[in-house]
Amino acid sequence: NAGVTQTPKFQVLKTGQSMTLQCAQDMNHNSMYWYRQDPGMGLRLIYYSASEGTTDKGEVPNGYNVSRLNKREFSLRLESAAPSQTSVYFCASNLAYNEQFFGPGTRLTVL
Amino acid sequence: GESVGLHLPTLSVQEGDNSIINCAYSNSASDYFIWYKQESGKGPQFIIDIRSNMDKRQGQRVTVLLNKTVKHLSLQIAATQPGDSAVYFCAENISGAGSYQLTFGKGTKLSVIP
Repeated sequence: NAGVTQTPKFQVLKTGQSMTLQCAQDMNHNSMYWYRQDPGMGLRLIYYSASEGTTDKGEVPNGYNVSRLNKREFSLRLESAAPSQTSVYFCASNLAYNEQFFGPGTRLTVL
Repeated sequence: GESVGLHLPTLSVQEGDNSIINCAYSNSASDYFIWYKQESGKGPQFIIDIRSNMDKRQGQRVTVLLNKTVKHLSLQIAATQPGDSAVYFCAENISGAGSYQLTFGKGTKLSVIP
């Protein structure tokens, strides 16, 4: 099993550009999550999907949208990137009320 | 404010010694706790978890202790090795219908001195 995979690994955007971060898991997990991690900070939840067909806001949802495409895939979209969105983005998945499994991350820089 | 925090942001330990990483939480309703290890440039990796009906749980070279009275969590690593050098995060969760959110602390950086 590949676990949780994310693409791309690195991305540089200019302010105002848009992009979609992709995430997929092959563990048949119901729930999926998107976090951001800033230097010296813990992970902050952006959005999550408790099950296929549902999405909910986390702690820091402004400036982002998500799509739970199917049970395996959960994408994060930045419609108009801002420098404040420079961060490392992690996708995670789990069966409810158990440990979350994380992907390797996407390092995003917005100029 | 943040409900999960750490007493020590950095910890240096001699190889072979035991390490203890501490975490305080403020939400008494939290009933599930996880420790993650994050190596540089990688995603967090699950180490061990504990539910609130336990006060101790052991894994391979790691032990998690939970003190609900003072809302304190600790991770003990026995015979610390250079490969243990990483940032360690604690996270808490409130289980129950609709509760999926983990709250993470800022992390403690563990440096192992050879």
